[in-house]
Amino acid sequence: EVVLLESGGDLVRPGESLRLSCEASGFTFSRHGMNWVRQAPGKGLEWVAGVSGSGSSTDYADSVKGRFTISRDSSTSTLFLQMTGLRAEDTAIYYCARVESAWFSYYFDYWGQGTPVTVSS
Amino acid sequence: VVLTQSPGTLSVSLGETATLSCRASQSISTSYIAWYQQRRGQAPRVLIYGTSVRATGIPDRFSGSGSGRDFTLTISRLEPADLAFYYCQHYDTSPAFGQGTKLEIK
Repeated sequence: EVVLLESGGDLVRPGESLRLSCEASGFTFSRHGMNWVRQAPGKGLEWVAGVSGSGSSTDYADSVKGRFTISRDSSTSTLFLQMTGLRAEDTAIYYCARVESAWFSYYFDYWGQGTPVTVSS
Repeated sequence: VVLTQSPGTLSVSLGETATLSCRASQSISTSYIAWYQQRRGQAPRVLIYGTSVRATGIPDRFSGSGSGRDFTLTISRLEPADLAFYYCQHYDTSPAFGQGTKLEIK
């Protein structure tokens, strides 16, 4: 059974940093691209970042480019999102999502339950 | 590529058919459109990918169609559990979602 378990969400002040983690199990981690998708309170889904199965290719939404870094550790089957320079508009539930491909831009076939990030002074 | 979904809210009676639309700002290959259902308080789940392929475990009441810039999700024989938000997504380039359609039961 595929399971994605996010952690690391917290309440932080504007300008601070936070690292999210997503522990994956039930599949061969390196064979699948992985992504972060967020959802602000009462809003729709927004793709944030993606990384290929090998970890060699990444891409980011314009709204987070230069502030967020996605990475993965195949030895522990864990996906990360390092967030710096956090802003109020980054407040959201952050979902980890797997794609049915080694590339990251594909449809999302499994999702975690999300971890909440709140940026407020 | 920007995806625009319509209507924003759709009210349909139980047992009837709901038709949700997704229009792209430019033509997209039919291989690269997916639809998701998100019930209140839950993570999204994929319903349809490749425009018309049902994901594992999705009943045949859900169907997808379309080409070029216009894509449609059709839900027939509406049930109470279908109350949810529905999002289209493309993965032609970097992934992106439409803004969603809220499906209400009339």
